[in-house]
Amino acid sequence: AQKITQTQPGMFVQEKEAVTLDCTYDTSDPSYGLFWYKQPSSGEMIFLIYQGSYDQQNATEGRYSLNFQKARKSANLVISASQLGDSAMYFCAMSSYGGATNKLIFGTGTLLAVQP
Amino acid sequence: DAGVTQSPTHLIKTRGQQVTLRCSPKSGHDTVSWYQQALGQGPQFIFQYYEEEERQRGNFPDRFSGHQFPNYSSELNVNALLLGDSALYLCASSPRPRGVDTQYFGPGTRLTVL
Repeated sequence: AQKITQTQPGMFVQEKEAVTLDCTYDTSDPSYGLFWYKQPSSGEMIFLIYQGSYDQQNATEGRYSLNFQKARKSANLVISASQLGDSAMYFCAMSSYGGATNKLIFGTGTLLAVQP
Repeated sequence: DAGVTQSPTHLIKTRGQQVTLRCSPKSGHDTVSWYQQALGQGPQFIFQYYEEEERQRGNFPDRFSGHQFPNYSSELNVNALLLGDSALYLCASSPRPRGVDTQYFGPGTRLTVL
């Protein structure tokens, strides 16, 4: 069975500093995708970044980068130069090519608070 | 380019009632998935609709049902509401039902069951 584990319930970071949010995953499917979503207090799930299991390079999207370590089954999100607007819940999720659908399996999330 | 829309944004019901939530997918997407997010938890997959059929269901009882229309929009119906059905219901769309395409989410419907 597929599983996503986020071990940090909450994190604090100072504005303009970098922060790493941890995510480990478990799957027996050789082809899968890993996603990070941001969920502000309003509730909408906002897509941030995607990493495919066969991608050779770590994904980057602006201030977001994904530290993908396949052998360790980890897909940590790095946010550089944190901003006050980055305060939100962050979810790591996974889907696989081998499934009947592209359903996402989510972790429990990490609440990030950016302090001025 | 219109994103995923959901209605209503908030809903209050009492136990035993029935509710219908609605979702319109992002332009160009034909696959809709529904998720339930209880307070303090990650979203849980309810089911997916593609070509007007339910393709896969998560661990949810038959009280949860859905429908997809020819224009790809979708409804989620919940019968005989329980207090435990109180949650944020998220709709997500994608351009196909399988693979690892990014799913885009709507703003959600907050359901409160009293």
